[in-house]
Amino acid sequence: NAGVMQNPRHLVRRRGQEARLRCSPMKGHSHVYWYRQLPEEGLKFMVYLQKENIIDESGMPKERFSAEFPKEGPSILRIQQVVRGDSAAYFCASSPRDRGQYEQYFGPGTRLTVT
Amino acid sequence: TQLLEQSPQFLSIQEGENLTVYCNSSSVFSSLQWYRQEPGEGPVLLVTVVTGGEVKKLKRLTFQFGDARKDSSLHITAAQTGDTGLYLCAGRRTIGNEKLTFGTGTRLTIIP
Repeated sequence: NAGVMQNPRHLVRRRGQEARLRCSPMKGHSHVYWYRQLPEEGLKFMVYLQKENIIDESGMPKERFSAEFPKEGPSILRIQQVVRGDSAAYFCASSPRDRGQYEQYFGPGTRLTVT
Repeated sequence: TQLLEQSPQFLSIQEGENLTVYCNSSSVFSSLQWYRQEPGEGPVLLVTVVTGGEVKKLKRLTFQFGDARKDSSLHITAAQTGDTGLYLCAGRRTIGNEKLTFGTGTRLTIIP
């Protein structure tokens, strides 16, 4: 059973460009979470999605950031007009949330560098 | 405000020694998970504890959830170089609230 997949693993963008980060959950998982790890800081929750629904976006910055999890295809975290402060590792996690299984399994992350 | 404080922040010990790392909070958590993260990789789930006072063992690793579900500890017996990594605790505040609150992390180095 393949794990959570994220691509690209590394992404370099100039200030003002758009960044698109993709996450494919584990097979059978329909719940996706995005977290951000800033340099020398811990992981911080950003958003929780189910297929076609945003359940909790309390950790998302109010501007420039958006996330989706369409019926078909991966979940996408989109950052518009990136700034240097967006440089971080972005992790996706998935869970089945079925029969009491609430563990979140993480992907390898996308390391975004804004120049 | 950091809800989950881990200590120590850094720990370097000789192979074969025992160690304990702590995860403390003033808040109650419905469940708590421990992860290990290698450089350049995502966190890997080690264990989930749910019941106050619960103890779980994973080979040389022993995890305990405090009676009041506000704290947890990870004890490693006879540490090996392969145990080197960043250990993270992460809690879920309430049942049904899916987001994880992560601790500050303990960076463990085992010296051969």
